[in-house]
Amino acid sequence: DQQVKQNSPSLSVQEGRISILNCDYTNSMFDYFLWYKKYPAEGPTFLISISSIKDKNEDGRFTVFLNKSAKHLSLHIVPSQPGDSAVYFCAASASRDDKIIFGKGTRLHILP
Amino acid sequence: DGGITQSPKYLFRKEGQNVTLSCEQNLNHDAMYWYRQDPGQGLRLIYYSQIVNDFQKGDIAEGYSVSREKKESFPLTVTSAQKNPTAFYLCASGTWGYGYTFGSGTRLTVV
Repeated sequence: DQQVKQNSPSLSVQEGRISILNCDYTNSMFDYFLWYKKYPAEGPTFLISISSIKDKNEDGRFTVFLNKSAKHLSLHIVPSQPGDSAVYFCAASASRDDKIIFGKGTRLHILP
Repeated sequence: DGGITQSPKYLFRKEGQNVTLSCEQNLNHDAMYWYRQDPGQGLRLIYYSQIVNDFQKGDIAEGYSVSREKKESFPLTVTSAQKNPTAFYLCASGTWGYGYTFGSGTRLTVV
């Protein structure tokens, strides 16, 4: 059973507009959430994280929103740039065991 | 310059052979992880270790083994029992609440 779900395999967004990537989780013990960006044949690069005591965290063009009651988080990228085209992974961790679980990823295409 | 290093970048294995993938970090992280990436499957956890001389199975540990004799090192052995070893393998290290750093990966191909 998938504990972290990214239901959109791909997303296309016009350059300059907002990209919204979504993620759902099932395990209520998760208390730390992360977003990673990945290019082919490379390791994932950390983008932004949020702990369960917050509902929003912002870093430059990237904002992560956490809705604990819905077990849902989202990553907003504003404005979207061509270099943002990549696969984005949502991940979750529980402080009690340090295990990190990843979703299957969403491929983001930024259109010129 | 702190980081996490995986070697080799490419590895070829014959049927029935064991191979070992190296992962070294100088970030002073306690926790280390091994993931496997297959097309359309995302990152699946193989093994992880929270402290030296201790490790736990992830979701797909069958056919793999690890050791954690030093804080800096967490090698992964792909044994002959792993029926479909061709994949991209990623190692990571980190601390809860402070993010996790990934290596650049090892692509293993069975020939």
